[in-house]
Amino acid sequence: QKEVEQNSGPLSVPEGAIASLNCTYSDRGSQSFFWYRQYSGKSPELIMSIYSNGDKEDGRFTAQLNKASQYVSLLIRDSQPSDSATYLCAVTASPSGSARQLTFGSGTQLTVLP
Amino acid sequence: DADVTQTPRNRITKTGKRIMLECSQTKGHDRMYWYRQDPGLGLRLIYYSFDVKDINKGEISDGYSVSRQAQAKFSLSLESAIPNQTALYFCATSDWAGGNEQFFGPGTRLTVL
Repeated sequence: QKEVEQNSGPLSVPEGAIASLNCTYSDRGSQSFFWYRQYSGKSPELIMSIYSNGDKEDGRFTAQLNKASQYVSLLIRDSQPSDSATYLCAVTASPSGSARQLTFGSGTQLTVLP
Repeated sequence: DADVTQTPRNRITKTGKRIMLECSQTKGHDRMYWYRQDPGLGLRLIYYSFDVKDINKGEISDGYSVSRQAQAKFSLSLESAIPNQTALYFCATSDWAGGNEQFFGPGTRLTVL
C-alpha cells in the first residue's frame, strides 16, 4: 500500500478559479506535511509546510491539514497559467529534525487554462 | 549562484559503465539526500546522510553507492550502470534546525543505453 496517495490528474481549472489538490497518508504518526511544485523537467520547489491541524495561508496558497482523517490539501486561489505544474505532497513522521525521511506522493498534474 | 548544484546535468552512458553524480551545497545544511524520479512513480529515496559519518540506505539503494566527502559534498555512484537506472536524479539538503524541509538541486538526467 502506497503511503502517500494523490490523484494523478490531470486536473484542469480555468484561470482565476480555485484549484484544490488532495493528499492522503497512511501513517497516523505523521507530523510534518509539505507541498512542492515541480515544473516539467525542473526540480521540486517547496511552496508550503504545515505541522498542525487547520489552515495555513501564504499568499494565494492555503494548506489544510486534518490528522484525524489523515488528509492534507492545497488550495490555490486565483489560479494563473503559471501555476500549471505537478504538485507533490510529502509527509514525514516527526515534527522536528529527528525524522529521517520524507515520503512523497506521485504528484497531481495541474493545468490552468487561460 | 545556486545553493545546491549537481554535475553533470545530463549524461548518456552505456550498460556496465561506472558513473558518478556529484552534489554540492552552499546552504550550510548538515543533511543531504539522493532521489530518483521516474514517470508515474514520484520521488524515491536512494541514500541519505545526516553528517559526514552517517550514511543510510533509502528505499531503493540496490545498485547504488554514495560518498559524503565533506559536509557540503555528497556523491552518488552507479558501479555498473543498467538501462533501468535511466531516470532523473535529484540531490536535496535539509537542516536540523529547519525541520524536514528539503531543498532540491536542479537534477541530473541520466540515460543508460
